[in-house]
Order: sequence, then C-alpha cells, then structure tokens
Amino acid sequence: EAQVTQNPRYLITVTGKKLTVTCSQNMNHEYMSWYRQDPGLGLRQIYYSMNVEVTDKGDVPEGYKVSRKEKRNFPLILESPSPNQTSLYFCASFAGSEQYFGPGTRLTVT
Amino acid sequence: GENVEQHPSTLSVQEGDSAVIKCTYSDSASNYFPWYKQELGKRPQLIIDIRSNVGEKKDQRIAVTLNKTAKHFSLHITETQPEDSAVYFCAASPSGGSNYKLTFGKGTLLTVNP
Repeated sequence: EAQVTQNPRYLITVTGKKLTVTCSQNMNHEYMSWYRQDPGLGLRQIYYSMNVEVTDKGDVPEGYKVSRKEKRNFPLILESPSPNQTSLYFCASFAGSEQYFGPGTRLTVT
Repeated sequence: GENVEQHPSTLSVQEGDSAVIKCTYSDSASNYFPWYKQELGKRPQLIIDIRSNVGEKKDQRIAVTLNKTAKHFSLHITETQPEDSAVYFCAASPSGGSNYKLTFGKGTLLTVNP
C-alpha cells in the first residue's frame, strides 16, 4: 500500500528546543516536499527535494532545515523553534500525478 | 516569485448544482496546475491536474480549464454531492515536469447543502 508516514503526529515543545519531524515514503518517489498549513494562508512550501542530496528552498524556508540522505526519508529540522512556527505540517511525495501527502504533524511551540 | 489568487474563499451550493472555483497566477513560466481537496481534519489529496499544453481536462464530474493567455484556471464540479464538501486548493508550478515547486492559493471552502 502506497504510504507517506510522519512522526510525531502531535508535538508540544518550548521555544529553542531543537526538534525533528520525520517523513518516510514507500513508493520510491524521487520528489518529496514539506508544507505548512495555517488558517487563512493555505499551504505554503517550506523545502523540497528532487532526489537524494538535492534540496531547494520553497516559499517559507526561514527557520527550517532538511536533509535527504536516503530516497525514502526527508526529515524536517527546527534547530531553534519559535512560536511563529506553530502550525500543521505536511510532508508529501510525488511522481507525476501520483501524489501522496502524509497525515500531518500538529506542532505547538510555546 | 509566483503568486496564486483563488476565489471565492467560501462557496455554498445546493446538492445537484454546479460549483466553479477560479484561480489566477502571475508567473507566465508556470506550466503545471494541480487541484487538491482537503476534507476536515484530513490530508490534502490530488483530485485533478492540468499541464500547459492542454486547455481542458475532465474526470467524471470534475473538470479543469486553463487559459494561459489570461493566466487563469478553474475547477468545475457538476452534480455536486454532500461528500464534495471540503476545502479545495489550486496550485501552480513553474516546472511541473521536474521539480514541483508549488505555490498554492488560499483555498475555497465548498459546502454542498442536501
């Protein structure tokens, strides 16, 4: 079964405490991406990766890092989270019109 | 960069009526235009997409039209049903064949009243 998984699904943390949200796909897709979703703002792309070791910034990359060391995994790293990074985060993997989003990670930074 | 405007922000229709959602984009290099449906509390899912070499694409009750000259594209849902109620997002990508750098509209909340 085609699947994109994210962990954790829910996280409450404090300002400045480094965290990583993992994303994994089992479809051998080359392309993966991270989005954040905020009320009234829709989905905004944070980073994307076209293949292993190839990443690029989306529209809102500030405060985030990513890595793509293996094709199946694309973790999102917040080195020093701030309250304005409180949001719902989605990971996705694509291959043409075969597109799958993960279930989402709801992050609260206090 | 790309800017995508989506209208209306909310749309309420009676079951069986048609619904139309419109998007405009700013970057003439954009050539891939997907539409996503997001039900309450769930993840977005791709429902239809169109590339710039095609003017219209249809899939059962859903159709998308593209006018590259005017830089706008629209989602048409016919014979709406209550299960069509969701938030719909349009998006545009300057190079949809390779890197999927997507810019999204802010979404349209569609409510289909039984």
